[in-house]
Amino acid sequence: DAGVIQSPRHEVTEMGQEVTLRCKLISGHNSLFWYRQTMMRGLELLIYFNNNVPIDDSGMPEDRFSAKMPNASFSTLKIQPSEPRDSAVYFCASSLASGVNEQFFGPGTRLTVL
Amino acid sequence: QKEVEQNSGPLSVPEGAIASLNCTYSDRVSQSFFWYRQYSGKSPELIMSIYSNGDKEDGRFTAQLNKASQYVSLLIRDSQPSDSATYLCAVNRGGFQKLVFGTGTRLLVSP
Repeated sequence: DAGVIQSPRHEVTEMGQEVTLRCKLISGHNSLFWYRQTMMRGLELLIYFNNNVPIDDSGMPEDRFSAKMPNASFSTLKIQPSEPRDSAVYFCASSLASGVNEQFFGPGTRLTVL
Repeated sequence: QKEVEQNSGPLSVPEGAIASLNCTYSDRVSQSFFWYRQYSGKSPELIMSIYSNGDKEDGRFTAQLNKASQYVSLLIRDSQPSDSATYLCAVNRGGFQKLVFGTGTRLLVSP
């Protein structure tokens, strides 16, 4: 079975450019989580969705960040405009919302903003 | 006080020894507890989950939960150099609510 799929795996862009990260959930899962990981701040939850509905976006750093879930299996995280401090590894995780809530992570997107 | 606390390490153990990784959490309503392993440059990988007080064993791994003390641990028996990684503790209140992660403990297993 395919796990969580993320693209691109690596992204290098210049400050001010728009960046779009993509994530495909595990088939049958209905919750999606976007995380950011840096050495300084560790693993931070940015936003999560359940059944395509955003539940908690309190971790989104600022208005430059936006996330959508246009259908039950796919999500995008957009940064516009990007800044060097956005450089990090961005992970997407999916789960089947239940009393268990085991989350499974994708391979991540390493973003570098020059 | 952080919601989930772990010693950052590194925790160094010789090959074949038992590695003991510890985690404390502050929210008493937490219901589900998870251990993730993360190799350098890779994504977190779920290795254990535990929901009830006591021990849960899976191969060389044993998770231990004590809700009264708000404490969860991971024991790795017969540690191998391939176990060298960062181990992240995560806590969840249940349902589809978010996981709160600790900062992780780096484990080094020397041959």
